[in-house]
Amino acid sequence: EAQVTQNPRYLITVTGKKLTVTCSQNMNHEYMSWYRQDPGLGLRQIYYSMNVEVTDKGDVPEGYKVSRKEKRNFPLILESPSPNQTSLYFCASRQTTGSGANVLTFGAGSRLTVL
Amino acid sequence: GDSVTQMEGPVTLSEEACLTINCTYTATGYPSLFWYVQYPGEGLQLLLKATKADDKGSNKGFEATYRKETTSFHLEKGSVQVSDSAVYFCALSDYGNKLVFGAGTILRVKS
Repeated sequence: EAQVTQNPRYLITVTGKKLTVTCSQNMNHEYMSWYRQDPGLGLRQIYYSMNVEVTDKGDVPEGYKVSRKEKRNFPLILESPSPNQTSLYFCASRQTTGSGANVLTFGAGSRLTVL
Repeated sequence: GDSVTQMEGPVTLSEEACLTINCTYTATGYPSLFWYVQYPGEGLQLLLKATKADDKGSNKGFEATYRKETTSFHLEKGSVQVSDSAVYFCALSDYGNKLVFGAGTILRVKS
């Protein structure tokens, strides 16, 4: 089944304790992206990657890091989490050419709480 | 920059009622327009899309028409079901295929 898999789905952590949210897709998509969803703000893009070793900032990149060492994986790293990073996070992927080039496939989400 | 504005919710309807969720956009070019749906506990999934003016996207009884003159893409359904309860996001994709989302509208359908 074509899918984007995120882990963990739920996490409670404390301020300053580094964490990583993993994301993996099995569709051979070139493009991957991370979003955060907050009430009243919709989805805001954190970082995206057009292909392996190519990453770029989205609209709200502060406090986050990403890497793209393999095509299928795009982990989101919070080096020193703070309470304002409490949110619901989504990973997504898509093709970069053809009819699927503007249609994202989303993971199920990771709900992060930073105390 | 590009932006999407959609009606605030929550929208609460009885089963079999008609649904309209308003969406307007601002874009410098000629964007593609989308409706994504998020069911409880799940990620977003594409509901329908339209890529040029006057196109109508449709899926699962939902439809939306790309209106360039009013910069709108309102979501409609003639008869909602309890299973349609979800959050609905309007979005646009312009140059570079970056998606810009609206804030989302919660729909609650009561039996």
